[in-house]
Amino acid sequence: QKEVEQNSGPLSVPEGAIASLNCTYSDRVSQSFFWYRQYSGKSPELIMSIYSNGDKEDGRFTAQLNKASQYVSLLIRDSQPSDSATYLCAVDNDYKLSFGAGTTVTVRA
Amino acid sequence: DGGITQSPKYLFRKEGQNVTLSCEQNLNHDAMYWYRQDPGQGLRLIYYSQIVNDFQKGDIAEGYSVSREKKESFPLTVTSAQKNPTAFYLCASSIAGPNQPQHFGDGTRLSIL
Repeated sequence: QKEVEQNSGPLSVPEGAIASLNCTYSDRVSQSFFWYRQYSGKSPELIMSIYSNGDKEDGRFTAQLNKASQYVSLLIRDSQPSDSATYLCAVDNDYKLSFGAGTTVTVRA
Repeated sequence: DGGITQSPKYLFRKEGQNVTLSCEQNLNHDAMYWYRQDPGQGLRLIYYSQIVNDFQKGDIAEGYSVSREKKESFPLTVTSAQKNPTAFYLCASSIAGPNQPQHFGDGTRLSIL
């Protein structure tokens, strides 16, 4: 079983702060990594994808990938109450995706 | 608008009954997937299909069945053999091949009567 582990939440941050989410994976050959946001009662929504080592920025979101350490992270800068959600890390696995259990983020106004 | 449509949004199953969840996409994606999500847990793969008339079991296929007769459609049947079917069921699709992101429908909530 190829595993994806996320830091346990919930994570509570004040509005305007940086939220940092971490994810580790067990399969060394994985090549693509995704972050999904899931609001309570809703379906997951793709917010970031990353394929190469280093950082990838998209607006207030930055994904960081370190394949040697089998580690991928998501930073949310200037956190807003609308960022309150569960964030799922997904890792490619032979034409499928393996998902972590998710980290719930609450942004305090 | 292109997207993935799941129906119904809510579904109730009686003991011994089979129920079918619908998933239709107009994104022209070859690959489609079914996941189950239980409260506080991540997504677990039930079945997936990379091409019409072909599908494979995921991690938790027991008690479920699928068909893929059309590119646009991938219905999931929850059979009476699935003893704990209460969950949030999500259908996704993607371009076929490795390293492709998946896009999700709005989901179906299944409960036992």
